[in-house]
Amino acid sequence: DQQVKQNSPSLSVQEGRISILNCDYTNSMFDYFLWYKKYPAEGPTFLISISSIKDKNEDGRFTVFLNKSAKHLSLHIVPSQPGDSAVYFCASYSNYQLIWGAGTKLIIKP
Amino acid sequence: GAGVSQSPRYKVTKRGQDVALRCDPISGHVSLYWYRQALGQGPEFLTYFNYEAQQDKSGLPNDRFSAERPEGSISTLTIQRTEQRDSAMYRCASSPRPDTYEQYFGPGTRLTVT
Repeated sequence: DQQVKQNSPSLSVQEGRISILNCDYTNSMFDYFLWYKKYPAEGPTFLISISSIKDKNEDGRFTVFLNKSAKHLSLHIVPSQPGDSAVYFCASYSNYQLIWGAGTKLIIKP
Repeated sequence: GAGVSQSPRYKVTKRGQDVALRCDPISGHVSLYWYRQALGQGPEFLTYFNYEAQQDKSGLPNDRFSAERPEGSISTLTIQRTEQRDSAMYRCASSPRPDTYEQYFGPGTRLTVT
């Protein structure tokens, strides 16, 4: 049973527009939620996190929103740039474990 | 500074052979994690260490899988009597302190069992 779900395998966005990546989870006991970014042939790299007690965290062009009642989080990238093209993983953290979604491949079109 | 390194990057082995996958964490990082990632999926937790002590191995699929980190630095994940279903990307991550989501990943080892 998948505890973290990313239902969109891929997303294509025009450069300069907003990219919105979505993630759903099932366990309300998770402490943190994270987004990792992965380029081909590299390991995932940490992008941004949000504590379960907050509903928004912003870092430059990246903002993560958490809706606890809906058990849903989203990553907004504004404006989208070509270098943002990558696979984005949503993950939850609790008790030293990261539990991952399947990833969404973001393609930024020029 | 150097990141997490893993070797080999690619490994092809015949069914029934043993393989050893190596992870070299970031210098000074206390915790080390092993994950397995199937195609089209996110990483799946296998086991982790704080220093040389294995804290949790509940994610290891069966007793053919084992891991060690004898000196609290380099770690080896060993798979005995490999099977085709073991084919996957094996990822290692390290973190500067225990119990943190701040994990730094290596490039992974792609294991193919024929």
